[in-house]
Amino acid sequence: GQNIDQPTEMTATEGAIVQINCTYQTSGFNGLFWYQQHAGEAPTFLSYNVLDGLEEKGRFSSFLSRSKGYSYLLLKELQMKDSASYLCAVRERPDKLIFGTGTRLQVFP
Amino acid sequence: DTAVSQTPKYLVTQMGNDKSIKCEQNLGHDTMYWYKQDSKKFLKIMFSYNNKELIINETVPNRFSPKSPDKAHLNLHINSLELGDSAVYFCASSSSRQETQYFGPGTRLLVL
Repeated sequence: GQNIDQPTEMTATEGAIVQINCTYQTSGFNGLFWYQQHAGEAPTFLSYNVLDGLEEKGRFSSFLSRSKGYSYLLLKELQMKDSASYLCAVRERPDKLIFGTGTRLQVFP
Repeated sequence: DTAVSQTPKYLVTQMGNDKSIKCEQNLGHDTMYWYKQDSKKFLKIMFSYNNKELIINETVPNRFSPKSPDKAHLNLHINSLELGDSAVYFCASSSSRQETQYFGPGTRLLVL
């Protein structure tokens, strides 16, 4: 079956670093995505990993270990505008995204 | 602007009615999707079309019927609306050469 787990909520302080973990069990793995979703808005693409390792993009980095079924999203130098839900999604063939329930991050001053 | 657009943004209707939601993308993508996000914010795939051909149909009641008149449009028609259909419906698109899916702004459906 398909199972994607993320913490439901996290809090952090402005300027800090936060790591949001995602574990998954799916069939036909074909990449892992992280999306950001602000309240009342559409999900927007943050990062994509298909091979093991770290992908860095500015303040955001994402890591993947396929053998462990594990990924994390690392957010550095947190800003208030980073308060949002972060969705981990696994792509299965042919082209289906399976989303986790999302992690709601609150950044405090 | 290049984007994925949906109409209407809000839809309030009575149980039993039939309604349609429209989606258009001008990104030149060849694959389009419909997702449902429930009150617990869980985002779930419903359908996908590639070049107007149905690719994914995820155990969705047959009251939901997608229609793709061309590669740039994917509409969703819902018959006999039920209370449980209340949710936010997102359209998305992607290119077969690039993995990322881009989402529309969502249609907030409330069935009374």
